[in-house]
Amino acid sequence: GQQLNQSPQSMFIQEGEDVSMNCTSSSIFNTWLWYKQDPGEGPVLLIALYKAGELTSNGRLTAQFGITRKDSFLNISASIPSDVGIYFCAGPPLTQGGSEKLVFGKGTKLTVNP
Amino acid sequence: NAGVTQTPKFRVLKTGQSMTLLCAQDMNHEYMYWYRQDPGMGLRLIHYSVGEGTTAKGEVPDGYNVSRLKKQNFLLGLESAAPSQTSVYFCASSSARGWTSGTAQYFGPGTRLTVL
Repeated sequence: GQQLNQSPQSMFIQEGEDVSMNCTSSSIFNTWLWYKQDPGEGPVLLIALYKAGELTSNGRLTAQFGITRKDSFLNISASIPSDVGIYFCAGPPLTQGGSEKLVFGKGTKLTVNP
Repeated sequence: NAGVTQTPKFRVLKTGQSMTLLCAQDMNHEYMYWYRQDPGMGLRLIHYSVGEGTTAKGEVPDGYNVSRLKKQNFLLGLESAAPSQTSVYFCASSSARGWTSGTAQYFGPGTRLTVL
């Protein structure tokens, strides 16, 4: 089936640093979703992208929908300790034949050292 | 507006026991989903439903059954639990209006299940 490749798998950064992570696929997507999962909690939607080239911000978070529709990027500026968690990308691939299901990446685990 | 809620939060079963996990959503969403999350495996779709009275298999359906008798509820059943079903289970829901602005899957807080 379709897969989303997230990188890096994990990141260890100092508080105040900027973070960048990405998600790529061999299939075209028409929507990209970015979620954050805190330990012991369910994934929470951070940013949703619906058009190729779209750039959307949510506070210190910025995500972009790649022009080729096969990738997306998430940036976090001036990281703080509460940014710790696992970040997932997800999307419904066009090749799937239906719009109701999502494919998820395996996540980028972020650790922020105070 | 509670969003997506799951019951129970934690459960321990012995091999062979049965149980039902309950998911409820108050967003009037047509679609509902059950996922399991295991270390290193990400989120894997077990079953899903595109409307009341309909269900479909996902990526890892074996050993599970589901029912959607009411639009707001989606039940996941384990008839004879096995240690391989030890996992964290998440329910999610979304609207059926296609992938337009505002459409996304919204997740519950999860149920941590241990099968001994």
